[in-house]
Amino acid sequence: GAVVSQHPSRVICKSGTSVKIECRSLDFQATTMFWYRQFPKQSLMLMATSNEGSKATYEQGVEKDKFLINHASLTLSTLTVTSAHPEDSSFYICSARVLRGYNEQFFGPGTRLTVL
Amino acid sequence: AQSVTQLDSQVPVFEEAPVELRCNYSSSVSVYLFWYVQYPNQGLQLLLKYLSGSTLVESINGFEAEFNKSQTSFHLRKPSVHISDTAEYFCAVTSLGGQNFVFGPGTRLSVLP
Repeated sequence: GAVVSQHPSRVICKSGTSVKIECRSLDFQATTMFWYRQFPKQSLMLMATSNEGSKATYEQGVEKDKFLINHASLTLSTLTVTSAHPEDSSFYICSARVLRGYNEQFFGPGTRLTVL
Repeated sequence: AQSVTQLDSQVPVFEEAPVELRCNYSSSVSVYLFWYVQYPNQGLQLLLKYLSGSTLVESINGFEAEFNKSQTSFHLRKPSVHISDTAEYFCAVTSLGGQNFVFGPGTRLSVLP
């Protein structure tokens, strides 16, 4: 159990376009999901915390107008990279939190975004 | 706030040799500790976790980690590695009652034939 999927797994787009990445919890409900960004050979950097039915909480330095997050249901959160530029190219990973007496996160497989 | 240090960015080791990947953390409150493994172009997979109880935790594929509170460490060990263990390994910490994970910078384990 506790499977998280992401779609698409890989996307290539032109500079200036917007890209939407979906994160789904397949067999559980997730009131909280997290979005991370990972640069090559680096660790995961938390971008924002997404709570179902409310606005996302962004980490310092992350542009909320650039990275739009919508957590419309208990199983789906989306990240939209608006007006993407080459510097937005990265590996984006989502995770979903399960409350089991402690906060455990299950990670999606990631989405590789390449902006040309 | 918590922080995680993984002193070794790369660890090359020959197949069937033992390996230890080091992880140290700092926190002013009690924490839960995790090791995740990431294969190329994939997400993170939980390897093992320490929540409470026995300080030695084991995974199903032969890895183990020991929580040492006095040294604030959670080192990962395997007595005999395989080629398939080649991957990036991340140590992570979260505080009791907290929701954010803090990840270490990662250690790239390369198992050589």
